[in-house]
Amino acid sequence: SQQGEEDPQALSIQEGENATMNCSYKTSINNLQWYRQNSGRGLVHLILIRSNEREKHSGRLRVTLDTSKKSSSLLITASRAADTASYFCATVPDSNYQLIWGAGTKLIIKP
Amino acid sequence: ETGVTQTPRHLVMGMTNKKSLKCEQHLGHNAMYWYKQSAKKPLELMFVYNFKEQTENNSVPSRFSPECPNSSHLFLHLHTLQPEDSALYLCASSQELGIVYEQYFGPGTRLTVT
Repeated sequence: SQQGEEDPQALSIQEGENATMNCSYKTSINNLQWYRQNSGRGLVHLILIRSNEREKHSGRLRVTLDTSKKSSSLLITASRAADTASYFCATVPDSNYQLIWGAGTKLIIKP
Repeated sequence: ETGVTQTPRHLVMGMTNKKSLKCEQHLGHNAMYWYKQSAKKPLELMFVYNFKEQTENNSVPSRFSPECPNSSHLFLHLHTLQPEDSALYLCASSQELGIVYEQYFGPGTRLTVT
């Protein structure tokens, strides 16, 4: 069953602007992961945030997690054309190792 | 992406054909996965292998048959497929089977069933 739901489904911004994507989930989790997928390719792991963490950074990426609201956000600062891709959140429940995926946010960066 | 390779990258097959997808990981991982990705739907986990042993079969139709001869190789044998099986099939691996390991994906095989 679908756990993560990304919002928005699609986002188009100008190069240089910041992009924010959100993910909501339903059940208790051990961690939440964000992945990127370039068109028709495999997924690339971006960042993992554990349930006891509130914020994590990696380069131009900033991820927050609010377990009380069961939501996470991915912020990409100073976007570049190469950031054009689909972004997926995946949650790992407390009781199971399986990643449960959302349908993704399609991000387009306009030059 | 070079850590996990998949062949072929594209496959067109008729409903009566038999074909196989191959996945190989060069990361020394012990867990491997098959996923199905259809347009505008979340990834669907199909099969999981841990140390060559199948640990999950998420109600996948028997026309999909996995094989894992060793921890580095994973196959998906296809026969008598339906048009709705057309999708991107992704292979992934992780260091171990556990709740804190990220997965590494191959580029996928784009399958079209005619």
